[in-house]
Amino acid sequence: EAGVAQSPRYKIIEKRQSVAFWCNPISGHATLYWYQQILGQGPKLLIQFQNNGVVDDSQLPKDRFSAERLKGVDSTLKIQPAKLEDSAVYLCASSPVGGNYGYTFGSGTRLTVV
Amino acid sequence: GENVEQHPSTLSVQEGDSAVIKCTYSDSASNYFPWYKQELGKGPQLIIDIRSNVGEKKDQRIAVTLNKTAKHFSLHITETQPEDSAVYFCAASMGGSQGNLIFGKGTKLSVKP
Repeated sequence: EAGVAQSPRYKIIEKRQSVAFWCNPISGHATLYWYQQILGQGPKLLIQFQNNGVVDDSQLPKDRFSAERLKGVDSTLKIQPAKLEDSAVYLCASSPVGGNYGYTFGSGTRLTVV
Repeated sequence: GENVEQHPSTLSVQEGDSAVIKCTYSDSASNYFPWYKQELGKGPQLIIDIRSNVGEKKDQRIAVTLNKTAKHFSLHITETQPEDSAVYFCAASMGGSQGNLIFGKGTKLSVKP
């Protein structure tokens, strides 16, 4: 089966600019996650979708980050305006259902804010 | 808040030796504990997982043990090979959630030929 697809692979932007990341989960996976991984640390959850509804966005900095999952398939994560501390790898993951099943991660988008 | 502590942060072993990585978690409601391997430039890949109703699970050279009373779980890799070199992350489910995981900070394992 095809894996979780993410694009772009790399992005360099200046602070205060905006950026968007795209994710296409494994076909049929109802649950989609966005994680932020800062260099040298473990992934940290930003938002979880179940189909096209938000299950948990408690750690999403809503003043600058937004995410949507239209039609319960693809998802986009946006940052506007970006800050230097947003430099990280943004990982998308999906799982068949919610409730403690192993995720499949994409390769991530490496964002550098200068 | 809830957290997962992982040790050591770096681990260097000779090929053929065993490697052990340990994690502790704080949320007593956690009931799912996966381990991920992350190679450079790639996303984390699930290598083994264990649920709270099981004390030990093995898959070829990899095993995981869980002590719920002490809130400890460990990854054991036997007969290490150079291709085992990577960063390994433990994670624990957040209690009452629909699958959200809290990750440790990772262990960089180097296997020397």
